[in-house]
Amino acid sequence: GENVEQHPSTLSVQEGDSAVIKCTYSDSASNYFPWYKQELGKRPQLIIDIRSNVGEKKDQRIAVTLNKTAKHFSLHITETQPEDSAVYFCAALRNFGNEKLTFGTGTRLTIIP
Amino acid sequence: EAEVAQSPRYKITEKSQAVAFWCDPISGHATLYWYRQILGQGPELLVQFQDESVVDDSQLPKDRFSAERLKGVDSTLKIQPAELGDSAMYLCASSPGTGKGTEAFFGQGTRLTVV
Repeated sequence: GENVEQHPSTLSVQEGDSAVIKCTYSDSASNYFPWYKQELGKRPQLIIDIRSNVGEKKDQRIAVTLNKTAKHFSLHITETQPEDSAVYFCAALRNFGNEKLTFGTGTRLTIIP
Repeated sequence: EAEVAQSPRYKITEKSQAVAFWCDPISGHATLYWYRQILGQGPELLVQFQDESVVDDSQLPKDRFSAERLKGVDSTLKIQPAELGDSAMYLCASSPGTGKGTEAFFGQGTRLTVV
């Protein structure tokens, strides 16, 4: 089955700096890669996603890159703000036959004012 | 805006007791997931339904856990008997299903404490 590894497990950055979180996946059939943000005590919410036919996607201060050959994808947050502090999860989904969404172990991001 | 509904939000139960959680996915979503999230960790898939059929329950401890989605709409996850190690957040998520879109939407979760 799919195995998603995520690094680092914790990350602290100064407000205004950039943050990068990296994930690798094992199943070459995975073709959809969402990123979820989970604030303390709340549900995970999708912040950005990328499909396997695209190498990069950007939405304001958030961007995701995908390297299918190396089977890794990354989340980039620029100009970080205190409200970016949360736990971020990457995931990989195989979208043929039966879908299966597998999550990474999470990164706790802390923005230092 | 449509949401995934879960109840109860919080549940405290004694070990060896039975406990049940309920999930109502977004209308029309064929895929329903139950995840367990231990504090500080990522969601771990317990069971996945496609309509009323189980498509993956390989990580479900079947000696004590059961799940059903009888009419392909709402779903119930049951634990009997509960153990101390079952204390966690139980998250339900739904998505449109294969070929219809892939974003999974999460409910608020049920936080279970076994004492």
